[in-house]
Amino acid sequence: QVQLQESGPGLVKPSGTLSLTCAVSGGSISSSNWWSWIRQPPGKGLEWIGEIYHSGSTNYNPSLKSRVTISVDKSKNQFSLKLSSVTAADTAVYYCARNFHYGSGSYFDYWGQGTLVTVSS
Amino acid sequence: DIQMTQSPSSVSASVGDRVTITCRASQGISSWLAWYQQKPGKAPKLLIYAASSLQSGVPSRFSGSGSGTDFTLTISSLQPEDFATYYCQQANSLELTFGGGTKVEIK
Repeated sequence: QVQLQESGPGLVKPSGTLSLTCAVSGGSISSSNWWSWIRQPPGKGLEWIGEIYHSGSTNYNPSLKSRVTISVDKSKNQFSLKLSSVTAADTAVYYCARNFHYGSGSYFDYWGQGTLVTVSS
Repeated sequence: DIQMTQSPSSVSASVGDRVTITCRASQGISSWLAWYQQKPGKAPKLLIYAASSLQSGVPSRFSGSGSGTDFTLTISSLQPEDFATYYCQQANSLELTFGGGTKVEIK
């Protein structure tokens, strides 16, 4: 059973950089899956941030692309998110998830429990 | 980007009721659509993928249909554990997007 666990600071100052890590257990990050970050502002819907493959290939949400970096550390079986120049609008629960591909579609079959990141001074 | 519009935004129903939620894509996405269930304080759970394929372990009272731009999620007989928020997600493009959610509440 694949498990994902997010970790990182719960409070980030405005204009700072949000940094989170997702540790994968019960499976290899080098499997034929992509790995994603998704966020959910309090009381609102879900927004896909971006994804990474173990080779280091990435795809990002165009609305966040200029501020997002997703990286992978195969030796630690984990991947990470950096979001720069944060504002209060970036306050959200951040989830990491595994992409499951079926045909041409990409779906999220395993999720971390989520971690709340608040942007405030 | 492909916009996903869900309706209704909320629905009140009783245990045993049949509930239908719709999702419309701003452009055709073939059958590349998923449905998720989210309970308060929890991560979303994949219910349906490829519009109509039931994820392993999901009860058969959940079903999905549709293709192109119009999709539906049906719960044939609502159970107490089904009160939650449901999201659709288009899986067709490099930019993955979700619908705004439908909250299923107790009547």
